[in-house]
Amino acid sequence: SQQGEEDPQALSIQEGENATMNCSYKTSINNLQWYRQNSGRGLVHLILIRSNEREKHSGRLRVTLDTSKKSSSLLITASRAADTASYFCATDSFWAGSYQLTFGKGTKLSVIP
Amino acid sequence: DVKVTQSSRYLVKRTGEKVFLECVQDMDHENMFWYRQDPGLGLRLIYFSYDVKMKEKGDIPEGYSVSREKKERFSLILESASTNQTSMYLCASRYGISTDTQYFGPGTRLTVL
Repeated sequence: SQQGEEDPQALSIQEGENATMNCSYKTSINNLQWYRQNSGRGLVHLILIRSNEREKHSGRLRVTLDTSKKSSSLLITASRAADTASYFCATDSFWAGSYQLTFGKGTKLSVIP
Repeated sequence: DVKVTQSSRYLVKRTGEKVFLECVQDMDHENMFWYRQDPGLGLRLIYFSYDVKMKEKGDIPEGYSVSREKKERFSLILESASTNQTSMYLCASRYGISTDTQYFGPGTRLTVL
């Protein structure tokens, strides 16, 4: 199954700075989603961008999608210490009669107060 | 709010034991999923179910089985636990066949000694 690949694997920034994470994938998609995971916890859905969309905003989050390059980016503006977490992109693939999400390995973001 | 609960946050078992991990969702979702998460490997799909009594293998089904007798409950079974099954196990649920938001439980950290 295809898998999104996040870049960088780890990112450390100062509070107030912007954080940018990238995701690349291999085949065509219906949508791409970003999830966040606090240490040792479950994943929480952040934002979904459909294949016919190029940019989407939600609060301090901005997601872009370039289907020609098979890539997406997640921008967190004015970061806070509470944004410290791992961030995963997920792409869909048709499998066993339905669409399934396949997750990348994640970017570990550390925001230093 | 959708709630996905898992029976245990932490579990310690011995090699060869039969282990049951339970997952319950309260939003009448058709689709339910079991993933395992390991450092450097991201989330990998073990099994999923798109209806009661239906199940499909994911990427890594070996050594696992599942049961879905009721729509809200999806159980993961380790028939004979082994040390290489020490991992974080995450359950998720989703409505419908399209890849919209998946809701995750808090995870069960299983240690097999």
